[in-house]
Amino acid sequence: EVQLVESGGGLVQPGGSLRLSCAASGFAVNSFYMTWVRQAPGKGLEWVSTIYSGGGTYYADSVKGRFTISRDNSKNTLYLQMNSLTADDTAVYYCARDTGALNYERFDFWGQGTLVTVSS
Amino acid sequence: QAVVTQEPSLTVSPGGTVTLTCGSSTGAVTSGHWPYWFQQNPGQAPRTLIYDTSNKHSWTPARFSGSLLGGKAALTLSGAQPEDEAEYYCLLSYNGARVFGGGTKLTVL
Repeated sequence: EVQLVESGGGLVQPGGSLRLSCAASGFAVNSFYMTWVRQAPGKGLEWVSTIYSGGGTYYADSVKGRFTISRDNSKNTLYLQMNSLTADDTAVYYCARDTGALNYERFDFWGQGTLVTVSS
Repeated sequence: QAVVTQEPSLTVSPGGTVTLTCGSSTGAVTSGHWPYWFQQNPGQAPRTLIYDTSNKHSWTPARFSGSLLGGKAALTLSGAQPEDEAEYYCLLSYNGARVFGGGTKLTVL
């Protein structure tokens, strides 16, 4: 059974750092594109970052240079390292299984989300 | 990055038909933008309804369909049900980057 479980969210001060994890089961994260999406309180969805199965990475302009997406194949876990956090980064962060080799493997699984609050 | 636009809100009568659209600031939306449509209910993670313009997941109700319409991606709901009241988001791809639309709040009333 495919599952994505995020962790690592919490309260952090402005300028601080946090690393989010997304533990995957039922499939290999390095065989799929994997994506982070966030949602600020009461706002819409915002794409944050994607890592391709080949290792290429892409970022939204709002996080470029501050956030780093990565994965640990041995732990089958996706990460999002977030640095220089500001109040605008306050959101629920979701990880999603983005694109796989089969036609129907397209954003077919999402985690439950983890809340990041940036506040002093 | 590009700006993706959606209607902020729409209302449909039960059993009625409504079309949500998704436009791009860079020009016409094409299949090369790999349009997605997501449904989100309050307090829940998004659920993917449509991928690659018009493809449905196994859980997507048959009353939802995706297409390209007048230079935009479109999500059509035919035979609206009360449980379809939700927020709907489109997602477009731009050479690796992705951009969500602002969402459409769909009311079934």
